[in-house]
Amino acid sequence: SQQGEEDPQALSIQEGENATMNCSYKTSINNLQWYRQNSGRGLVHLILIRSNEREKHSGRLRVTLDTSKKSSSLLITASRAADTASYFCATDQTGANNLFFGTGTRLTVIP
Amino acid sequence: SAVISQKPSRDICQRGTSLTIQCQVDSQVTMMFWYRQQPGQSLTLIATANQGSEATYESGFVIDKFPISRPNLTFSTLTVSNMSPEDSSIYLCSVGRLQETQYFGPGTRLLVL
Repeated sequence: SQQGEEDPQALSIQEGENATMNCSYKTSINNLQWYRQNSGRGLVHLILIRSNEREKHSGRLRVTLDTSKKSSSLLITASRAADTASYFCATDQTGANNLFFGTGTRLTVIP
Repeated sequence: SAVISQKPSRDICQRGTSLTIQCQVDSQVTMMFWYRQQPGQSLTLIATANQGSEATYESGFVIDKFPISRPNLTFSTLTVSNMSPEDSSIYLCSVGRLQETQYFGPGTRLLVL
């Protein structure tokens, strides 16, 4: 399967804590993208990190990419209840024309 | 970025019927994608729809079951034919250029009874 895997599958934290989600994949990539999905709605694009980048920040989000280990992590700092959602990584794989999505992490932030 | 709308946002259908989902983009795009997300699962690509050519289907998806139209650079439809309860999913369209950000519509939540 070309689908990535994420862990943990579910994560529950207190508001104000940091949340870290990990994504692993199997093939060479052009970039890796992280998305958020609130309760069965559409996907919101969070951040794109290219294969030649190692770290990227956007507001309270920090994404790292280790192409040697074929893994990425998404860190959400100072979490809020509104961050409660499912988070997916998606890889833009070399030679492919579409994204391959990970299995997702369900994050619950408790007020 | 691209703004994408989908119709309907949700529907409840009887088995054996068909539903056509519309996807409208606010700008001209070459590549449009249709994904399915089954309950509690991740997204799976159904097909890639490029204007002026036949859609390209992924393994496990066939044109007879999921016919796609792409009449112009801002619009596409996906039909779910002869539906069964197993077709209950969220269907999402997306647009994006190769190696760039891909944007998603709000999805169509389908329940087949």
